[in-house]
Amino acid sequence: DGGITQSPKYLFRKEGQNVTLSCEQNLNHDAMYWYRQDPGQGLRLIYYSQIVNDFQKGDIAEGYSVSREKKESFPLTVTSAQKNPTAFYLCASRRTDSYGYTFGSGTRLTVV
Amino acid sequence: AQTVTQSQPEMSVQEAETVTLSCTYDTSENNYYLFWYKQPPSRQMILVIRQEAYKQQNATENRFSVNFQKAAKSFSLKISDSQLGDTAMYFCAFMKPVFGATNKLIFGTGTLLAVQP
Repeated sequence: DGGITQSPKYLFRKEGQNVTLSCEQNLNHDAMYWYRQDPGQGLRLIYYSQIVNDFQKGDIAEGYSVSREKKESFPLTVTSAQKNPTAFYLCASRRTDSYGYTFGSGTRLTVV
Repeated sequence: AQTVTQSQPEMSVQEAETVTLSCTYDTSENNYYLFWYKQPPSRQMILVIRQEAYKQQNATENRFSVNFQKAAKSFSLKISDSQLGDTAMYFCAFMKPVFGATNKLIFGTGTLLAVQP
């Protein structure tokens, strides 16, 4: 079955360390997104990519970086510059000719 | 900038009863989409229903229906015959659809719905 796989489901890191969250899709979707979810704040857009080798900052990109070397993959790196990285991170994808999103099951990142 | 407001942080309903979740939004756009997403305890985001702003008829999907009031910028979700599996966080979301553009979703803060047996 086609879908989006995010790994790992839970991730623990020490403060000051960079960490990379994986997002892989086999839906042949062109557009991919990273959202951050915090209690009481809904979801906010971090980065998005519409084609391979191209990506754009979203509303809260500071302290994060991404790459899009393959259509299927859109990893998110949470750097030490992100002041409050503990959150739930959701990856999503979309066909260019559609406005419907498919979401992954998320990664819960806890920085201690 | 568009904003989405959900003024009910938590709601509770008895099994088999009907419940309505509220959502208001602010935009100067005329063409847009509105969505309700469900996030159960598994945290998977599931699309419940979608409404295109140019359509006057309210969208329905089985037990789920919306009351779309474009002039009032209101988009409420009605769940009929509530089931225990409806227990989840519900998010209202806005999108301005533009081919080739970001097409990002703008989310409200969510309403946590608990269906009681």
